[in-house]
Amino acid sequence: DIQMTQSPSSLSASVGDRVTITCRASQNIISYLNWYQHKPGTAPKVLIYAAYTLQSGVSTRFSASGSGTEFTLTISSLQPEDFATYYCQQSHSFPQTFGQGTKLEIK
Amino acid sequence: QVQLQQWGSGLLKPSETLSLTCGVYGGSLSGYYWSWIRQAPGKGLEWIGDIDHLGYTYYSPSLKSRIIISLDTSKNQFSLNLSSVTAADTGVYYCAKVSRIPAGPKWFDPWGQGTLVTVSP
Repeated sequence: DIQMTQSPSSLSASVGDRVTITCRASQNIISYLNWYQHKPGTAPKVLIYAAYTLQSGVSTRFSASGSGTEFTLTISSLQPEDFATYYCQQSHSFPQTFGQGTKLEIK
Repeated sequence: QVQLQQWGSGLLKPSETLSLTCGVYGGSLSGYYWSWIRQAPGKGLEWIGDIDHLGYTYYSPSLKSRIIISLDTSKNQFSLNLSSVTAADTGVYYCAKVSRIPAGPKWFDPWGQGTLVTVSP
């Protein structure tokens, strides 16, 4: 299985901050990388698919880049509604796998 | 806009079978893959398996021996059965549609609301 490793595992930040989350794959996954936002009691929501494509309706505060084995998700100016857990997920190889999550908390 | 609504057994005893169903509203099962994903308490997301509109299934190797995912096209819904559950199967279970670029990347969108399943003696 392809292992997906996110860093950091948790992050404290303030409203207005710019934050970056990194996701590393144990093998080359080209651009088959997605990012999800998950808030307690709700279903996860896709933010970015295919490495850098912003899902329709998602704020342009979110952006992503990367290919191969290293990917990043950036939130340009944190808003209160952005505090959540973020997951990366690869769809290149069977079985699909997720990172362990990055919990973004208010400082 | 496709919406998914799921339902099923929330409290099970060890060795029982977990059964969940996901209804697809505002769209058809045809032409797409449909997934089940779970999250154990305090843990990350785990893909369980997929079914395509023809009924072909793809299961997580770690759960393959206990899973059946099936389709009911007449009711526009798909289901998950997980047999011989243990406490390790406790968690929130989600259904999801697999969106994709033809012959390219795929992602889960949208998701069902989630069902909390607890396995306890």
